[in-house]
Amino acid sequence: DVKVTQSSRYLVKRTGEKVFLECVQDMDHENMFWYRQDPGLGLRLIYFSYDVKMKEKGDIPEGYSVSREKKERFSLILESASTNQTSMYLCASRQQREKLFFGSGTQLSVL
Amino acid sequence: AQKITQTQPGMFVQEKEAVTLDCTYDTSDQSYGLFWYKQPSSGEMIFLIYQGSYDEQNATEGRYSLNFQKARKSANLVISASQLGDSAMYFCPGNKLTFGGGTRVLVKP
Repeated sequence: DVKVTQSSRYLVKRTGEKVFLECVQDMDHENMFWYRQDPGLGLRLIYFSYDVKMKEKGDIPEGYSVSREKKERFSLILESASTNQTSMYLCASRQQREKLFFGSGTQLSVL
Repeated sequence: AQKITQTQPGMFVQEKEAVTLDCTYDTSDQSYGLFWYKQPSSGEMIFLIYQGSYDEQNATEGRYSLNFQKARKSANLVISASQLGDSAMYFCPGNKLTFGGGTRVLVKP
């Protein structure tokens, strides 16, 4: 069964902390994505990666960075967490032009 | 970026009735795909159906069907014979994977 695993379901951090959100997929997918989901705003694309060591900005990259050193792992980094980054973060992967497979999400609270 | 518009933030539907969820998109690509996903209260994202821009037939998957009108750039989802378990958020990202705000559906018994 295909799987996209996000390391934490819930996370609480303090303002200014560096935060790592990890995502691992076991389907050998080329493409991986990070979204944030906020009520009324749907899902907004933060960053995506078409291949190892490649990354592209999405619609709202400010305040975030990513790392993809291995094909199966895509990390989202908040260099200095702020309260407006409190949100649900969803990771997804897919083979080129096919449907997305999503992780179960990480609810991040920044206090 | 490809823009997706879902004009219905929320709607009620009576159990066993059909419901149509609107989705319009803006693209200059000649070849593209459109997806529909369901997100129940558990938060998981469930793939429902896919329509390719060059597909001759409207896509159908069980109780889900797409009313695809290429000239109007719309790909509306039709859920027939609604069930209580259909209560969820519904999203229609394009192949650029931009999501709209979604439509919340509540099925009334």
